[in-house]
Amino acid sequence: GAVVSQHPSWVICKSGTSVKIECRSLDFQATTMFWYRQFPKQSLMLMATSNEGSKATYEQGVEKDKFLINHASLTLSTLTVTSAHPEDSSFYICSARGEGTQRYEQYFGPGTRLTVT
Amino acid sequence: GENVEQHPSTLSVQEGDSAVIKCTYSDSASNYFPWYKQELGKGPQLIIDIRSNVGEKKDQRIAVTLNKTAKHFSLHITETQPEDSAVYFCAARSSGNTPLVFGKGTRLSVIA
Repeated sequence: GAVVSQHPSWVICKSGTSVKIECRSLDFQATTMFWYRQFPKQSLMLMATSNEGSKATYEQGVEKDKFLINHASLTLSTLTVTSAHPEDSSFYICSARGEGTQRYEQYFGPGTRLTVT
Repeated sequence: GENVEQHPSTLSVQEGDSAVIKCTYSDSASNYFPWYKQELGKGPQLIIDIRSNVGEKKDQRIAVTLNKTAKHFSLHITETQPEDSAVYFCAARSSGNTPLVFGKGTRLSVIA
């Protein structure tokens, strides 16, 4: 149980275009979802936290107008990178946390590798 | 806010030996401490966790210990195997709806 999927697993886009990444909790209801960014050989950097039906809370230094997060249902959150630039190239990972007995555990998706050319 | 320190950053062990990774945290209100294993090109996978009301938890070859007084917790892997080679992250979270705070990771290499 507690499976989180991401789509796509990798994407290449041109500068100036927008890219949407989907994160789904497959077998539990995710009341809270997190989006992380990870550079090579580094730790996970939290970008934002979103609760279903509410606006996302962004970490300091993360541009909310550039990284649009939508958490419209208990099983789906999306991250849209708008007007992508090469420096946005990174590994993006979502994570989900549920309620009840799952309120502690936080499960991660497999990640999406974004390359902006 | 919470700050998590993790050591060592790299660790090499011979197959069959034990590996220990240590983390310290700063927020005494933290009550949940998971460990994640991340293989190259993949997302982190939860391998074991411990809550502040227990001092030790074991799952087959993996164990985690927690010392609340000293604010540190450790991951112990016994009888290591080559497939244990990966990057391991510790994390901590205080009560409420706060996000996990991660350590910088430990790259474990198990040499056959």
